[in-house]
Amino acid sequence: EAGVTQFPSHSVIEKGQTVTLRCDPISGHDNLYWYRRVMGKEIKFLLHFVKESKQDESGMPNNRFLAERTGGTYSTLKVQPAELEDSGVYFCASSQDHTFWGNTGELFFGEGSRLTVL
Amino acid sequence: AQSVTQPDIHITVSEGASLELRCNYSYGATPYLFWYVQSPGQGLQLLLKYFSGDTLVQGIKGFEAEFKRSQSSFNLRKPSVHWSDAAEYFCAVGSPANTGKLIFGQGTTLQVKP
Repeated sequence: EAGVTQFPSHSVIEKGQTVTLRCDPISGHDNLYWYRRVMGKEIKFLLHFVKESKQDESGMPNNRFLAERTGGTYSTLKVQPAELEDSGVYFCASSQDHTFWGNTGELFFGEGSRLTVL
Repeated sequence: AQSVTQPDIHITVSEGASLELRCNYSYGATPYLFWYVQSPGQGLQLLLKYFSGDTLVQGIKGFEAEFKRSQSSFNLRKPSVHWSDAAEYFCAVGSPANTGKLIFGQGTTLQVKP
């Protein structure tokens, strides 16, 4: 079974440009999450999809970030326009469970997409 | 608000030596606690988790962690470290909303000396 796949693995762009990150979750996983780690800081939650619906987007930093999950399969995270402080590693995770902590409670993470904004 | 603190940013141990990575959490109720590991070029992998019951939890790769409510700690241990354990380790707590949202600590990088 394929794991969570993220693309690209590394993207270098200039300030003001646009970048789109993609995440393919494990097949059949309704829950999809985006997290971000800015250099030297902790990994922080961005948002959570259940199928194609945004369940929780409380961690999205501002309106330059747009996440979509059309059809409830893969997801994209677009940053437009990118700023220097957006540099970091963007992780995607997926899980099957709906009532989380009472069940297996495991998120499966991808390798991350490293974004460098110059 | 929930928070997780990993006091050690970087730890170096000799191969074969024992290891303990510290994790303290701030939480208002019964916490759901996790340890993840990220090896170079890999995604985050779940080592172990604590939801309830026995406070000593066994995980993969020979790791264990002990939940101590009185100390608000969930330290990760391994009796004998292997060179392949060199990685970054993250402690996390699950939010009470029961949706899979995790709050992470800053991570501890483990270096293993031959």
